[in-house]
Amino acid sequence: DVVMTQSPLSLPVTLGQPATISCRSSQSLVHSDGNTYLNWFQQRPGQSPRRLIYQVSKRDSGVPDRFGGSGSGTDFTLKISRVEAEDVGVYYCMQGTHWPRTFGQGTKVEIK
Amino acid sequence: EVQLLESGGGLVQPGGSLTLSCGVSGFTFTSHSMTWVRQAPGKGLEWVSSISESGVNTYYADSVKGRFTISRDNSRNTLYLQMNSLRAEDTAFYYCARGIYGLAYWGQGTLVTVSS
Repeated sequence: DVVMTQSPLSLPVTLGQPATISCRSSQSLVHSDGNTYLNWFQQRPGQSPRRLIYQVSKRDSGVPDRFGGSGSGTDFTLKISRVEAEDVGVYYCMQGTHWPRTFGQGTKVEIK
Repeated sequence: EVQLLESGGGLVQPGGSLTLSCGVSGFTFTSHSMTWVRQAPGKGLEWVSSISESGVNTYYADSVKGRFTISRDNSRNTLYLQMNSLRAEDTAFYYCARGIYGLAYWGQGTLVTVSS
């Protein structure tokens, strides 16, 4: 199975400051069709997960442009350019290239 | 508006069975593969199972293989997860989601509790 390793697992941030979450996979996530199926999800307290980013860097409709995804191969990053109070929650990366699908452990973002 | 609504969760004894349903609206069900993901209380997300648009191809996590069966009724716009031989470690919120490469939309989840 592809292991997805996120860091840090806890991220206290100051409002208005940037935040960066790393996600590393144990194998390349480049699919045979040429796409890289790396997704980022946000789960606010008491809510279902919501996808923010797909295929490494494509932002979902309605997602603020302060969220950005980057990376390639096995190393990926989610960056929040200026953290707002509504960004509090747990963020997960997930690979959709290999079976079984696997998630990272989650990174808890909280306000300092 | 895309909507996914899970139902069928509840309390079941170890070794028992339960069938979850996920009714969808707001998109063409037959054009999308579907996935079940679960989350034990206070824990992270775990992929459980996926099914292709036609239902011909199915995929399972090792932890549920041989015990859970994913299926779909395209005439009813409904996804199912039949769960047999349930164990305490199957206790979780179960979410249905659209897609298999990237889970674009999620339901609100249904809680399954396996306990005597």
